[in-house]
Amino acid sequence: KQEVTQIPAALSVPEGENLVLNCSFTDSAIYNLQWFRQDPGKGLTSLLLIQSSQREQTSGRLNASLDKSSGRSTLYIAASQPGDSATYLCAVEGGGAQKLVFGQGTRLTINP
Amino acid sequence: GAVVSQHPSRVICKSGTSVKIECRSLDFQATTMFWYRQFPKQSLMLMATSNEGSKATYEQGVEKDKFLINHASLTLSTLTVTSAHPEDSSFYICSAGEGGYIQYFGAGTRLSVL
Repeated sequence: KQEVTQIPAALSVPEGENLVLNCSFTDSAIYNLQWFRQDPGKGLTSLLLIQSSQREQTSGRLNASLDKSSGRSTLYIAASQPGDSATYLCAVEGGGAQKLVFGQGTRLTINP
Repeated sequence: GAVVSQHPSRVICKSGTSVKIECRSLDFQATTMFWYRQFPKQSLMLMATSNEGSKATYEQGVEKDKFLINHASLTLSTLTVTSAHPEDSSFYICSAGEGGYIQYFGAGTRLSVL
C-alpha cells in the first residue's frame, strides 16, 4: 500500500528566504507526482505535476524534483513571500484509475 | 483552466438528517469524479471513485450505504451523507478528471453535524 510522508509538518520562515519542502513515498511504481497548495478551508490548487519519466518541473519561483528510485520529491520555493503561506500537499498517482494518495501536508508560514 | 464547482461550501445539520453535496464540472465533461474527506490538519483520504452511469467504487473502510454517490451525468456527481452523525463532521472535497491524468478540485464543503 502506497504511503506518502511530508516533512516537516510545519515550517515558519522570514520573507525572502528560499526553502525546501520534502515528500517521500514508499512505492516507486508511480505514474506521476503532484504538488498542491491548499489555503485554509479551501480546495486544492495544482502547482506542479511531474511525470514518472521526468526529473523536475518549474513554474515561476517553484521548482519540483522527483527521484523515483529513492521515492522522494522536493518542492523548492525561491524568494518566499507572505502570500506563499498555505499548506502544501504532495500526491502520487499509481495503480491506475487516477487514484491519488496524498501526504499529510506541510503548513508553511512566511513572516513579513 | 477547467473549473469544478462544489456546493454548498458549508452546511450545518442536526444529527440524523441527510446532507447532499453537489460537484459540477462547469466547462468540461468529467468521465470520472472523486470524493475525498479531510479531517483537521490531516491529509485528503479518497472515499470513492465514480464514473458516469455506473456504480461508484468505494475505498476500503468507507460505508457505501452511509455515503451515497450518484454520477448521473458527465458534469454532475453528488455525495449524500445519510443519517449524519457528529463523527461525520469533516471537510469533503470532490475532484473531476476528463480522462487524462489531471484532476480539477472543487473548493470543498465543510460539514458540521450537531
